[in-house]
Amino acid sequence: TQLLEQSPQFLSIQEGENLTVYCNSSSVFSSLQWYRQEPGEGPVLLVTVVTGGEVKKLKRLTFQFGDARKDSSLHITAAQPGDTGLYLCAFSSGNTGKLIFGQGTTLQVKP
Amino acid sequence: DAGVIQSPRHEVTEMGQEVTLRCKPISGHNSLFWYRQTMMRGLELLIYFNNNVPIDDSGMPEDRFSAKMPNASFSTLKIQPSEPRDSAVYFCASSPGQGPDTQYFGPGTRLTVL
Repeated sequence: TQLLEQSPQFLSIQEGENLTVYCNSSSVFSSLQWYRQEPGEGPVLLVTVVTGGEVKKLKRLTFQFGDARKDSSLHITAAQPGDTGLYLCAFSSGNTGKLIFGQGTTLQVKP
Repeated sequence: DAGVIQSPRHEVTEMGQEVTLRCKPISGHNSLFWYRQTMMRGLELLIYFNNNVPIDDSGMPEDRFSAKMPNASFSTLKIQPSEPRDSAVYFCASSPGQGPDTQYFGPGTRLTVL
């Protein structure tokens, strides 16, 4: 059983389209992180959300943490080929720094 | 400033051979993590260290896997003997502190066991 469910698993869109990917759980988290992983590289942190209902923007990326701190979404506006990659959400288990990752959403943006 | 360094980047070996993966964390970081990534299981934490001490090795699949951190600037993950199902990309990551924090990942080692 996955603690974090990410959807969709795969997404292929044309350049310029908008998209939203989701990260859901039945557990409440003190914080949640989003990472992007490009082919052949390790994941890179995009954002950390901490407060229920929080919205953070990173250029064309908008991250939202659910009010109950059980879910999160990532919205990309006017997707670019450079957005192609694997998007992973992760939460910290306890206060140890140990991260538990979701399975990820693989995004392909076609020119 | 150098990031997390892993070697080798690619390793191809035959079943039964010993494999050693190496990691140099970012200088000054106190925590080091070893992950394995496969299509089927995603990114799984194998073990992590804090101040060179193993804190949680519950993700280590079996006794064939072992990890060491002899000093703050070096860690190894060893598989002996290796099996085809160990084929995966292995990542090392480090973070500055002990609590929830940004983890900085290395480029990974792609292991293929024939």
